[in-house]
Amino acid sequence: EVQLVESGGGLVQPGGSLRLSCAASGFTFSSYTMNWVRQAPGKGLEWVSYISSSSSTMYYADSVKGRFTISRDNTKNSLFLQMNSLRDDDTAVYYCVRVVSYGWFDPWGQGTLVTVSS
Amino acid sequence: QSALTQPRSVSGSPGQSVTISCTGTSSDVGGSNYVSWYQQHPGKAPKLMIYNVSNRPSGVPDRFSGSKSGNTASLTISGLQAEDEADYYCCSYAGTYTWVFGGGTKLTVL
Repeated sequence: EVQLVESGGGLVQPGGSLRLSCAASGFTFSSYTMNWVRQAPGKGLEWVSYISSSSSTMYYADSVKGRFTISRDNTKNSLFLQMNSLRDDDTAVYYCVRVVSYGWFDPWGQGTLVTVSS
Repeated sequence: QSALTQPRSVSGSPGQSVTISCTGTSSDVGGSNYVSWYQQHPGKAPKLMIYNVSNRPSGVPDRFSGSKSGNTASLTISGLQAEDEADYYCCSYAGTYTWVFGGGTKLTVL
């Protein structure tokens, strides 16, 4: 079964840092590009970041550029999101998603909640 | 990276059909065949329902169909069932490894 499991969320103060992880299983992780997508409470989905299969290319939404860093470890089938200088509006459930052929996201992990608050 | 435009809510009675629109620009929906739709029930992760404008993944009922005309994509659900009540999001590839979502549509089955 193809599965993605996120971890690392929690409560952090504004200006703080947090590192999210995503453990992949059931597919050849190193062959797929991956994304992070987030959803603020009661709000819609927002694409956050992209990483190529070999880590050669990364892209970010303007809202997180310069503060977040996406990375992966293909030897450990893991995806990461380092979040620095966190702001109140970064509060959201963060989903790890597999990208299929640039076109669609499948599957989605269960998400991990990040709460930025003093 | 402006969000795609979806109606906030739609509704229909069991057995009826509803269509959810998703309007973008020539830089995303209009210029891409990589339009997908996701269903999200409360407290759950989104689930892929349509990919590449009109393709259904295995396991998704054929009551769900997608189409596109110009800068607007559409999701049609026919033969509405109670379990279809959920939030629906469209998504389009916007070029250079970026994607954009719609604001989401709440479907109510009356």
